[in-house]
Amino acid sequence: QKEVEQDPGPLSVPEGAIVSLNCTYSNSAFQYFMWYRQYSRKGPELLMYTYSSGNKEDGRFTAQVDKSSKYISLFIRDSQPSDSATYLCAMSVSGNQFYFGTGTSLTVIP
Amino acid sequence: EAGVVQSPRYKIIEKKQPVAFWCNPISGHNTLYWYRQNLGQGPELLIRYENEEAVDDSQLPKDRFSAERLKGVDSTLKIQPAELGDSAVYLCASSLYGGSGTDTQYFGPGTRLTVL
Repeated sequence: QKEVEQDPGPLSVPEGAIVSLNCTYSNSAFQYFMWYRQYSRKGPELLMYTYSSGNKEDGRFTAQVDKSSKYISLFIRDSQPSDSATYLCAMSVSGNQFYFGTGTSLTVIP
Repeated sequence: EAGVVQSPRYKIIEKKQPVAFWCNPISGHNTLYWYRQNLGQGPELLIRYENEEAVDDSQLPKDRFSAERLKGVDSTLKIQPAELGDSAVYLCASSLYGGSGTDTQYFGPGTRLTVL
């Protein structure tokens, strides 16, 4: 079993839709949770960071962590064509070594 | 401010040949990471440096892979000899300290390696 599981998609939504991206994990010691966005032929860039459980909001993006269920989510409101990318979740116990999901490919159709 | 710089961006070689990748981290960043990203997968850590010291190389296939970070700035990752299964994108990232989950990793664009 992989440390981090993520549905690879692809996911296709119309512009303006709410997007929900999810990851599950097996290591209960994870306490740092991140979401990265990766455009084609580019390196990942950090979108959201959450420590332990709870919600965090940044503009159109909301990250949720449910440690009891070992489940994290990223919500994108009012999705835009520029949000089309691969979204990677990543997790860490101590903040040094991160375990990445496989990524979910998202396309927002104008 | 310049981001993480990697070269070359693309490399095509035949199996059993050597290959090297170069990374220049963001100025002032003490921690440098090399990741490998296979097609349709997330990045996997190969090695992490704090300054010039390799503090985590447990995932580096040491029979054919080597890395160095002389003077704690630039870094080179080498594969010798390359195998077909080494075809992937090799990503370099850097962060200020690397010791905390709050320390953001900044990724370079990667080197796409194709082994024929």
